[in-house]
Amino acid sequence: NAGVTQTPKFRVLKTGQSMTLLCAQDMNHEYMYWYRQDPGMGLRLIHYSVGEGTTAKGEVPDGYNVSRLKKQNFLLGLESAAPSQTSVYFCASNDFYEQYFGPGTRLTVT
Amino acid sequence: GQQVMQIPQYQHVQEGEDFTTYCNSSTTLSNIQWYKQRPGGHPVFLIQLVKSGEVKKQKRLTFQFGEAKKNSSLHITATQTTDVGTYFCAGEGGSEKLVFGKGTKLTVNP
Repeated sequence: NAGVTQTPKFRVLKTGQSMTLLCAQDMNHEYMYWYRQDPGMGLRLIHYSVGEGTTAKGEVPDGYNVSRLKKQNFLLGLESAAPSQTSVYFCASNDFYEQYFGPGTRLTVT
Repeated sequence: GQQVMQIPQYQHVQEGEDFTTYCNSSTTLSNIQWYKQRPGGHPVFLIQLVKSGEVKKQKRLTFQFGEAKKNSSLHITATQTTDVGTYFCAGEGGSEKLVFGKGTKLTVNP
């Protein structure tokens, strides 16, 4: 099993550009999450999903959109990137217990 | 909303010394989880505590959940260089999502 994978690993965007981060899991988990991690801020929840076709807002959802068209995939979109969205993005999935995290995407917005 | 405070933010110890990080929630938790993130890595699940007053041990690591289920601690006995990383607590208050503390970054001087 690959577990949780994220694409891409690194990306540099210019202000105003858009992009989509892809998260995939092969553990048949119902729940999936997108976090951002900034120095000294811990992990902050952006959006999450409790099943295929569902999404919900987390703590810091502004500027992001998500979709869960297939159970194994959770996409995070930035429509118009801003420097404040420079961060490391982690995807995670779980069933009823621990969360499994992907390796992260390091995004820089200039 | 639910908040999880974690102290200290940083801790530097000499190898062989003990280390403790503390976690406090603004609300009663249904369970608390602990994660470790190595430098440059992603968070990895360590343990989950569910019962009031619960104590669990993993080799040199001791985890406690408070009687009121609002606080928790992680204690490492005789630290080793392999313990280096950031330790996060994450509380679940009954919803499908975890609220993470900001983490304690542990450095160990050999």
